[in-house]
Amino acid sequence: GENVEQHPSTLSVQEGDSAVIKCTYSDSASNYFPWYKQELGKRPQLIIDIRSNVGEKKDQRIAVTLNKTAKHFSLHITETQPEDSAVYFCAASLDDMRFGAGTRLTVKP
Amino acid sequence: DSGVTQTPKHLITATGQRVTLRCSPRSGDLSVYWYQQSLDQGLQFLIHYYNGEERAKGNILERFSAQQFPDLHSELNLSSLELGDSALYFCASSVAGSDTGELFFGEGSRLTVL
Repeated sequence: GENVEQHPSTLSVQEGDSAVIKCTYSDSASNYFPWYKQELGKRPQLIIDIRSNVGEKKDQRIAVTLNKTAKHFSLHITETQPEDSAVYFCAASLDDMRFGAGTRLTVKP
Repeated sequence: DSGVTQTPKHLITATGQRVTLRCSPRSGDLSVYWYQQSLDQGLQFLIHYYNGEERAKGNILERFSAQQFPDLHSELNLSSLELGDSALYFCASSVAGSDTGELFFGEGSRLTVL
């Protein structure tokens, strides 16, 4: 099955700085790449996603880029705020959805 | 509220016992996924059902089994429980069978094995 690797496992930034989380996937047939945010004690929720026919997608302060050739995709958060502090998971999907190990982002005020 | 309902929310049991976790997907969703999340760990994919049929299997132990019923609700059965089975078990649903699309997660069932 699909194998997704995610880096870094922890990330600490100052409020207002940018944060970047990177993922690689193994199955070149995967065609859907979502990012989920999980706040402490809560369920994961989709924040942005991208399909394999698109190279970049942006939604306000968050953006995702996809490099199909290299089989990697990244999440970019600009102008970070304390409420961005959470665990972020990348995933890759074809017939099922496999998640990366997660990145714990801490935004210091 | 995602529309996905999981019961029970919390469950405490002893080693060697058997438990059943239940999931009702969002109205109209045909796919149900089960994930295990141990403390400070990621989301380990267990199994995926689409319209009553098993679609994909992940790192699911032989002591665990699942099924999806004609009304599309799903149950995850965990038997011969061990301490290491203590975790948060999430169910998620989506409308599609393949080309997954967004997964909507339930609140999870927290299992504690003593």
